[in-house]
Amino acid sequence: QVQLVESGGGVVQPGTSLRLSCAASGFTFSIYGMHWVRQAPGKGLEWVAVMSYDGSNINYADSVKGRFTISRDNSKNTLYLQMSSLTTEDSAVYFCVKKAAGGISGPGDLWGQGTLVTVSA
Amino acid sequence: EVVLTQSPGTLSLSPGERATLSCRASQSVSSTYLAWYQQKPGQAPRLLIYGASSRATGIPDRFSGSGSGTDFSLTINRVEPEDFAVYHCQHSDASASWTFGQGTKVEMK
Repeated sequence: QVQLVESGGGVVQPGTSLRLSCAASGFTFSIYGMHWVRQAPGKGLEWVAVMSYDGSNINYADSVKGRFTISRDNSKNTLYLQMSSLTTEDSAVYFCVKKAAGGISGPGDLWGQGTLVTVSA
Repeated sequence: EVVLTQSPGTLSLSPGERATLSCRASQSVSSTYLAWYQQKPGQAPRLLIYGASSRATGIPDRFSGSGSGTDFSLTINRVEPEDFAVYHCQHSDASASWTFGQGTKVEMK
C-alpha cells in the first residue's frame, strides 16, 4: 500500500526539541524529493522544508531556518524533521509529502495523515 | 518570494452549481508549477490539479484548472456534496520551496 505515516508528535514545552519521523511504503522512496508542510489549528498550509531524493538539495522556510533540520535515511525509507528551540508558533499538524515525479520543483502527490505537535507551557 | 492570494475566502453554493475559485500571484509564475489541492476536515490535502490545468490521477473531470502569469482559477462544474471542502493553491519555485495560498472554503448554502 502506497502511504506515508508520520509519528513523533506530542506536547512539549517551549524551548525544547522534538523529532518527527515519516515512514514511507509502497513506492521507491529513494528516488523522490520529500517535503514537510505544517498546518496550525484552523489555519492554512505552511511549507516547512524540502530534501531532494539523495539529500544533496535542502531548503527551509525562513520561519524555521536554523532551528529545524530535515534528513532522510533511504535504507529505512524514512524522512525526519528535527525541531529545536520550539515556540508556541510551531504548534501545528505536520505532514510529510512526497514530491511528484520529475524535476526538482513540482507538487506533492502523496500526503501522510499528519502528526500533531503542541508547544505549551 | 511569491505570495499567492486566493479569493473568495468562502464560497457558498448549492449542489449542482458551478464553483470558480481564484488564485492570484504577486508576480508572474510558470504555470508548470501551479497546483491545487482539496482538503476535507480532519484529512490531509489531496492533489487535484498540477501544471495549472492537468488533473491528478483519479480526479473527476468536473474539476478543471486554468490560467497563466499571475491569474489562475479552479472550476468545479456541478458541485457534488463531496466537493464541499477547503481548496489551496500552491506554487513551487526553482529551489523546490513551496508557497500556499490562504485557502478558499467551499461550503453548502
